[in-house]
Amino acid sequence: DAGVTQSPTHLIKTRGQHVTLRCSPISGHKSVSWYQQVLGQGPQFIFQYYEKEERGRGNFPDRFSARQFPNYSSELNVNALLLGDSALYLCASSLKGGGPEQYFGPGTRLTVT
Amino acid sequence: AQSVAQPEDQVNVAEGNPLTVKCTYSVSGNPYLFWYVQYPNRGLQFLLKYITGDNLVKGSYGFEAEFNKSQTSFHLKKPSALVSDSALYFCAVRDEGNTPLVFGKGTRLSVIA
Repeated sequence: DAGVTQSPTHLIKTRGQHVTLRCSPISGHKSVSWYQQVLGQGPQFIFQYYEKEERGRGNFPDRFSARQFPNYSSELNVNALLLGDSALYLCASSLKGGGPEQYFGPGTRLTVT
Repeated sequence: AQSVAQPEDQVNVAEGNPLTVKCTYSVSGNPYLFWYVQYPNRGLQFLLKYITGDNLVKGSYGFEAEFNKSQTSFHLKKPSALVSDSALYFCAVRDEGNTPLVFGKGTRLSVIA
């Protein structure tokens, strides 16, 4: 079975630009969560979606937004990129909102220059 | 609010020796506890979880963890370390409700041949 997939694998953006990251959950999973992992730190929660509705939001500015589509895939959008947005962005899926366990994709490495 | 502490940034162990990676947590209510492993340039891989039941949890690749409620700890263990176990290990916690995972900052395990 395919695991969680994310695209693109890597990308480089310039400060002030916009970026869209994509995630496809494991088949049958209806919940998607997004995490930001800055180098040397543990992942930090950004958003959780379940059945296309936002179910949780972490302490991130309004420049970060997300959505979930009818097929349960998800997009994370970041506007007005800052150097500090450089990180590994991880998507995780679970059967329903809250788990119990989440399965992570390989991540998208975003570099902002 | 939930929190996780991984007191060691780095753990070094000789191949064949037992290993322990420490984790303590704080959560209101009953904890759901998880261990994940991350290899270079990869996402997080689920190792094991504690939800309820036996305090000794067995997981993937010979890893196990012991839940200790009185000490609020969930240390990861393996009887005999392999060089291939060298990676970054994350402990995570959430409560019984629909809350996101809170991760520790990670412990880098280095197994020396």
